[in-house]
Amino acid sequence: AQSVTQLGSHVSVSEGALVLLRCNYSSSVPPYLFWYVQYPNQGLQLLLKYTSAATLVKGINGFEAEFKKSETSFHLTKPSAHMSDAAEYFCAVSDRANSKLTFGKGITLSVRP
Amino acid sequence: EAQVTQNPRYLITVTGKKLTVTCSQNMNHEYMSWYRQDPGLGLRQIYYSMNVEVTDKGDVPEGYKVSRKEKRNFPLILESPSPNQTSLYFCASSYQGGRGYTFGSGTRLTVV
Repeated sequence: AQSVTQLGSHVSVSEGALVLLRCNYSSSVPPYLFWYVQYPNQGLQLLLKYTSAATLVKGINGFEAEFKKSETSFHLTKPSAHMSDAAEYFCAVSDRANSKLTFGKGITLSVRP
Repeated sequence: EAQVTQNPRYLITVTGKKLTVTCSQNMNHEYMSWYRQDPGLGLRQIYYSMNVEVTDKGDVPEGYKVSRKEKRNFPLILESPSPNQTSLYFCASSYQGGRGYTFGSGTRLTVV
């Protein structure tokens, strides 16, 4: 069975600092990987996805993630945090065979002025 | 516009009163799924459907029912809601293969 691990529940950074949100996955087949963002009282918005093309994936709002098969990781980064990045972030992995999308527990990003 | 439509957006109900949350998609997707979101637990799959008349349990199916009589619709039924089903619910759809998902806007359910 596939799974996603997002260590920690909360990350706090200063405005302008690097954002690094970690995601590790397990999957018995080559995965598709996703990062979603959820702003307060809103739904899920797709930030970016990896579907076995380039291993460095660029998404919206300046975010990017790198698929590292050897480390089973798909960490999300942004060079310079903005106050508007404060939200909850979910990493997810999908199973190509049955289309099931499995989420991590999410991590809340706070941005300090 | 391609979308997944959930209704209602907000619902407050009492314990034991049957309710249905509707989900409809206009993209001809084969796969549809329901999730619940709870603080600290992320999104957990309740039920999914690979196609019409094909449904199966996800990770937390207890207390829920679904049906898939038409390709576009995938309602979530709570026959006898209980307070522990108070949650934020999302419907999602995709083509087979899991390359990308479209999510509904969510339904916030409170059972008192």
